[in-house]
Amino acid sequence: AQSVTQLGSHVSVSEGALVLLRCNYSSSVPPYLFWYVQYPNQGLQLLLKYTTGATLVKGINGFEAEFKKSETSFHLTKPSAHMSDAAEYFCAVSEGFQKLVFGTGTRLLVSP
Amino acid sequence: NAGVTQTPKFQVLKTGQSMTLQCAQDMNHNSMYWYRQDPGMGLRLIYYSASEGTTDKGEVPNGYNVSRLNKREFSLRLESAAPSQTSVYFCASSEALRGVDTQYFGPGTRLTVL
Repeated sequence: AQSVTQLGSHVSVSEGALVLLRCNYSSSVPPYLFWYVQYPNQGLQLLLKYTTGATLVKGINGFEAEFKKSETSFHLTKPSAHMSDAAEYFCAVSEGFQKLVFGTGTRLLVSP
Repeated sequence: NAGVTQTPKFQVLKTGQSMTLQCAQDMNHNSMYWYRQDPGMGLRLIYYSASEGTTDKGEVPNGYNVSRLNKREFSLRLESAAPSQTSVYFCASSEALRGVDTQYFGPGTRLTVL
């Protein structure tokens, strides 16, 4: 079965600093990988996804992620954090047909 | 285009009571999903419906039933609520009939079982 590990339940950065949220996955087949963001009291919104092709994927709000097969990683980055980036971020990997397995989430805290 | 809608937004039940959570999507999606979200555990799949007329168990189906009423609507029923079912429930939908596609989420239902 596929699984996702997100290192760090909380990550704190200063406004303007680099954001790095880590995601490692296990999959027995070529994976589809997703990052979702959840703002307080809201549902999840897609940030970006990797299916096939280019391993560097750009998403909304200046985020990007790189698929590294050799490291089984799909880390999320943003060069400069903004206060509005404070939210919870979930990495997910495809499992079989039409299903996703989610990580436990990382809460990003941004301080002025 | 409302996307995925869920009702109610909040609900408090007593142990043993029953209720149905409603979900509807207006994107003509084929697949629909029910998840629960608990602190420190991420989202766990309860049931899903790959297409109209089909439903399948996910990771945590015990204590729940579902109905795919038509292509738009997918309901989740708790027959006899337990405190362990206190959670935030999310419905999602995706276009894919085959393969893996982006899932679009509703705003959630916050359920407390006393």
